Amino acid sequence: QALMVQSGAEVKNPGASVKVSCKASGYTFTGHYIHWVRQAPGQGLEWMGWMNPTNGGTITAQKLQGRFTLTRDTSTNTAYMELSRLRSDDTAVYYCAREVADSTGTSGLFLDPWGQGTLVTVSS
Amino acid sequence: QSALTQPPSASGAPGQRVTISCSGSNSNIGTNSVNWYHQLPKTAPKLLISRNNQRPSGVPNRFSGSKSGTSASLAISGLQSEDEADYYCSAWDDSLNAVVFGGGTKLTVL
Repeated sequence: QALMVQSGAEVKNPGASVKVSCKASGYTFTGHYIHWVRQAPGQGLEWMGWMNPTNGGTITAQKLQGRFTLTRDTSTNTAYMELSRLRSDDTAVYYCAREVADSTGTSGLFLDPWGQGTLVTVSS
Repeated sequence: QSALTQPPSASGAPGQRVTISCSGSNSNIGTNSVNWYHQLPKTAPKLLISRNNQRPSGVPNRFSGSKSGTSASLAISGLQSEDEADYYCSAWDDSLNAVVFGGGTKLTVL
């Protein structure tokens, strides 16, 4: 079955960049969009954006535009998210998740499965 | 401020039935289907209910979802200690062009 495995925890200084990987297996990589969601300590879930692995097209949350980049490597079935100009409030667990959609498109989409999460700590 | 509104907490005794509400607007729940995820401590969220009321394989039928207008709810019957978790509702928002989540509801089994 589908599985998403993410890279390990990162500690970064303020102003630096971080790149997190998400390796997909068990399904056709280009058949499903990949979403990124983050969760600050003790907080709820915040959607960050999605990527179409077929053509690399992306949509990102407005508050992250300019700092958030999504890429992929179809030869290794791996998606990447990069966040630049890190601030302390970017400290969070970052999750990738496979989108499952039907003919209705965004109306009926859901996320399954999720990666195990990658803790990114921003601290000087 | 989350686009979807959930109560921060809910509780019930073992065996009881609890309901968690999720309130949205015409641009999200009113137009699109609702999904529910649960998150055990220190683990990733996991799909619990998709498309308003569909249970993925492996999810017990003690869990059920419903939607009416711009609100949705998750019901858990026959409450068990292992149901203690955070529960999140989610939907696509046509105005924000984004997936939106509720703030989460922490379920305590007394």
